[in-house]
Amino acid sequence: EAGVTQFPSHSVIEKGQTVTLRCDPISGHDNLYWYRRVMGKEIKFLLHFVKESKQDESGMPNNRFLAERTGGTYSTLKVQPAELEDSGVYFCASSQSRIQGEQFFGPGTRLTVL
Amino acid sequence: AQSVTQLDSHVSVSEGTPVLLRCNYSSSYSPSLFWYVQHPNKGLQLLLKYTSAATLVKGINGFEAEFKKSETSFHLTKPSAHMSDAAEYFCVVRGYSSASKIIFGSGTRLSIRP
Repeated sequence: EAGVTQFPSHSVIEKGQTVTLRCDPISGHDNLYWYRRVMGKEIKFLLHFVKESKQDESGMPNNRFLAERTGGTYSTLKVQPAELEDSGVYFCASSQSRIQGEQFFGPGTRLTVL
Repeated sequence: AQSVTQLDSHVSVSEGTPVLLRCNYSSSYSPSLFWYVQHPNKGLQLLLKYTSAATLVKGINGFEAEFKKSETSFHLTKPSAHMSDAAEYFCVVRGYSSASKIIFGSGTRLSIRP
């Protein structure tokens, strides 16, 4: 069974440009999460989808970030326009069960904004 | 409110000696606690989890952790370190329901000396 996949693995863009990160969860997992680790800081929660609906987006830093999950399958996280402080590693995770469900993580996308 | 503190940012041990990675948590209600490991260029992998059952939890690769409510601790141990254990380890706290936010510690990088 394939795990959580993320694309691209690494993205380098200039300040002001737009970047879209993609996450494909494990098939059948209704819950999808986005996290971010800024250099030298903790991994922070960004948001949580249940199927195609946003369950909790309290961790989204500002309105330059837009997450979607079309049809309840894969998800995208768009940053527009990117700023220097957006650099970091963006992780996606998915889980099957809402109760005590283990979250399976992808390898992350390393975003560098120059 | 919940929080988790990993007391050491870096731990270095010799191969074959015991490993101790320390984690203290704060939670206003009964938490679920997890340890994740991240090897270079890989996703976060669940090592073990505590969800109010046995206080001594055994995980993969010979790791275990003990939940001590009186000390609000959930330290990760392994009797004998192996070179392949070199990675970054994250202690994670979450409320009982997976609808609760997941809070990561700052991570402990484990180095193994030959």
